[in-house]
Formats: sequence, C-alpha cells, structure tokens
Amino acid sequence: QQQVKQSPQSLIVQKGGISIINCAYENTAFDYFPWYQQFPGKGPALLIAIRPDVSEKKEGRFTISFNKSAKQFSLHIMDSQPGDSATYFCAAPGAGGTSYGKLTFGQGTILTVHP
Amino acid sequence: EAGVAQSPRYKIIEKRQSVAFWCNPISGHATLYWYQQILGQGPKLLIQFQNNGVVDDSQLPKDRFSAERLKGVDSTLKIQPAKLEDSAVYLCASSHPDGRVNGYTFGSGTRLTVV
Repeated sequence: QQQVKQSPQSLIVQKGGISIINCAYENTAFDYFPWYQQFPGKGPALLIAIRPDVSEKKEGRFTISFNKSAKQFSLHIMDSQPGDSATYFCAAPGAGGTSYGKLTFGQGTILTVHP
Repeated sequence: EAGVAQSPRYKIIEKRQSVAFWCNPISGHATLYWYQQILGQGPKLLIQFQNNGVVDDSQLPKDRFSAERLKGVDSTLKIQPAKLEDSAVYLCASSHPDGRVNGYTFGSGTRLTVV
C-alpha cells in the first residue's frame, strides 16, 4: 500500500512570507500528485496537482516542485496570506486496477499565517 | 454544478449504538468514495464504489461497518455497533469515471462523536 509522509506537522509564517510543505512517497506507479486544502468544517478541496513528467507547476502563488529520483514533492506558497491559513494535505493515487482513483493522504500540515 | 451533499453534518451517539450517514454525489459521477478522517490525520479510504458495485473495501472494518450504493447514485454508510475510536469525520467524495484528479470532489463531511 502506498505510504505518504508529510512534513512539517505545523507551520507558522508571517504575512508575505513563503510557506513550504514537503511530501515523500514510496510507490512509483502513479500519474499525478495533488495537494488539497482543507478549512475547518469543510472537506478537502483540490489546490494544485502535478504529473511526474514535469519538475514544477505553478498556479498563481502556489507552486509544486517535483523530484522524481528522490520520490519527493513539495508545495510552495509565495506571499502567504492570512486567508491561506488551513490544513494542507499531499496525496498519492493508487497504481491501477482496483486502486485506480484511490488517494492515500499525508498526515497534514496546519498552516497559520500571521497578519 | 452542485457539490457532493452529505447528511447529517453532526451526530453524537453512545457507544454500541448504530448510526448511518448519507451521501449524494455530483450528478454523473460514477465513482463514489467514503473516507474516514480522524482528528489530526489525513483522510483514509474506507470503501470505493464504481456505479453500484464495490471496487475496494479492503480497509472497511466489516464487522461493524457497512455501505451500499443503490442504483449507482446515493450511498449510505452504517456503523453498528459504534465504538469510541469511530469518532471522526466521515467524508464522501465522487469522481468522473476515469478518476482524473480534477474531477475528484469531497463533501463537507459528517462529524461523528461516540461517547
């Protein structure tokens, strides 16, 4: 079964700073890696995702960096804002067959952005 | 597009009682998932349906948990009898048949407290 390890568990940054969350995976049979954002009382919502054939993907202030050889990927939030305060999860999909579409989540990172 | 609907939002029961959760996925989404999210952890898949058939229930505690998806649309998840360790948020998600990440949507969840 796919294992996903996420760090740090919590992160505090000042407004305008850079938030960096890291994720490591085991299985190499996959076709995308998503990051989810979850606010209290809500379900996780897709933030950004990357395919393993690229090393970086940027959408606005959010960037995923992917290191296939190290089996790691990270989320960078530039110019962090108080509204970014939430829990962030990385995830990895099942390899195929009956696991296709099944997501294994990391433990989550609680991000707090101080104004 | 309407999101994934779940009810109830909150439920408090005593241990050994039974409880049921309901989920209505996004129209046209053939794949439906139930995840369990314990406080401070990432969501963990319990069961995956494709239409009204079970694709993966390997992590469902079948001695007490059951789920069904009649007519390939709505789904219910039942716990009988409940244990203290079942206290968690139960999330329902649905996706397009091809399981693409952009089509993977979570509901807001049902928060279960077992006392």
